[in-house]
Amino acid sequence: QVQLQESGPGLVKPSQTLSLTCTVSGGSISSGGYYWSWIRQHPGKGLEWIGYIYYSGTTYYNPSLKSRLTISVDTSKNQFSLKLTSVTAADTAVYYCARGNWFDSWGQGTLVTVSS
Amino acid sequence: DIQMTQSPSSLSASVGDRVIITCQASQDIRNYLNWFQQKPGKAPKLLIYDASNLETGVPSRFSGSGYGTDFTFTISSLHPEDIATYYCQQYDVLPRTFGQGTKVEV
Repeated sequence: QVQLQESGPGLVKPSQTLSLTCTVSGGSISSGGYYWSWIRQHPGKGLEWIGYIYYSGTTYYNPSLKSRLTISVDTSKNQFSLKLTSVTAADTAVYYCARGNWFDSWGQGTLVTVSS
Repeated sequence: DIQMTQSPSSLSASVGDRVIITCQASQDIRNYLNWFQQKPGKAPKLLIYDASNLETGVPSRFSGSGYGTDFTFTISSLHPEDIATYYCQQYDVLPRTFGQGTKVEV
């Protein structure tokens, strides 16, 4: 059974870059067949899809974040990563990674707070 | 972006009740719709995919139906552990979008 685990700093200063990594176990990103997504949830709010990456490096970003967003993949480490630049308090959220079109597997989520 | 509108935003029900949640897409999404359950402090859990297919291991009291723009999610008999927020989500078009959620309370 595939498992996903987010990791990264829980506190980021305004205007800096938020960086998170999702480590996949129990399955290989490079085996193909799945897109690997980032999703976030603002405190007490609904879910927002951030973007995805395929093992080949193909990406699609939510237009609302595209100018600040980079998603990359490291198949040798079975990881994919998110970088969001120029963060503000509005980027404070729980960030999740998830698999596929169905989002059938999720990480447990990691809270990132943007504050000085 | 495709807007997903869930109704109601919240509901109160009793154990054993039939619970129905609707989700309307702003354009045709065929059957490319998921339903998720989220409990406080936890990641969402996939319950239904392709509008009506039950994810492995999910109890049969959960079901989904619909095609095009109008979808329904049903809990045939509410159990105490079903208290949660439920989300629909489309994956026909990028960017993927979610409904605003329906909070089910007792």
